[in-house]
Amino acid sequence: EAQVTQNPRYLITVTGKKLTVTCSQNMNHEYMSWYRQDPGLGLRQIYYSMNVEVTDKGDVPEGYKVSRKEKRNFPLILESPSPNQTSLYFCASRLSGRDEQFFGPGTRLTVL
Amino acid sequence: QKEVEQNSGPLSVPEGAIASLNCTYSDRGSQSFFWYRQYSGKSPELIMSIYSNGDKEDGRFTAQLNKASQYVSLLIRDSQPSDSATYLCAVTPGNTPLVFGKGTRLSVIA
Repeated sequence: EAQVTQNPRYLITVTGKKLTVTCSQNMNHEYMSWYRQDPGLGLRQIYYSMNVEVTDKGDVPEGYKVSRKEKRNFPLILESPSPNQTSLYFCASRLSGRDEQFFGPGTRLTVL
Repeated sequence: QKEVEQNSGPLSVPEGAIASLNCTYSDRGSQSFFWYRQYSGKSPELIMSIYSNGDKEDGRFTAQLNKASQYVSLLIRDSQPSDSATYLCAVTPGNTPLVFGKGTRLSVIA
C-alpha cells in the first residue's frame, strides 16, 4: 500500500530533551516536507527536500533540523524542544512537478 | 509573499444543499490547484485537483478555476453530515512548495 508513515504518533516530552520524529514514504517521491499545524494558524511548512541531500527552509524552520540521506526517509529533529513547539506535525511527499501531495497520519507532540 | 486566502467560516449548510467554498491566491504563476479535506485531528486528504481554467467534476464535488481572477472554488452537491470538515485550498507554480490557505470549516446540519 502506497503511504507515508510517521513515528511516533503521539509524544509527550520535556523541555530540552532531544527528539526525532521519523517519516518514511514508499512511493519513490522526490519531494518531502514537514508541516506543523496550530489552531488559527493553519499548516505551516517547516522544511522541505527536493531530493536526496537537498533540503531547504520553509516558513518556520527555527528550532528544527532535517536530513535526507535516503530518498524514502525524512526525519525531523528537535535538538532542544521548547513548549512553543507543542503542535500537530505532518510529513508529506509528492513526485516533483505538479503532482498531488500525500500526507502522513500526523504526530501530536507535547513539550512540557 | 505568496498567499492563499480562504474564509475561515464556519460555513453552515443544511443537509442536501450545495456548499460553496472559495479560495483566492496571489501568485499569478500558480499552475496546480488542490482541495484537501481534513477532519479534526486527522491528516489532510486530497479530494480534488485542477490544472486548467473551467470546471472539473468528480462525483458530488466540482472544482472551478479562473486564473484571470486568481480564484478557485469547490462545490459540494447534496451535502451530507459526513462532509463536515475543514477544507484546505493549496496552490503551487510547479516544482516548489505548496502554499496552503488556513482552511474553511464546513458544518452540514442534518
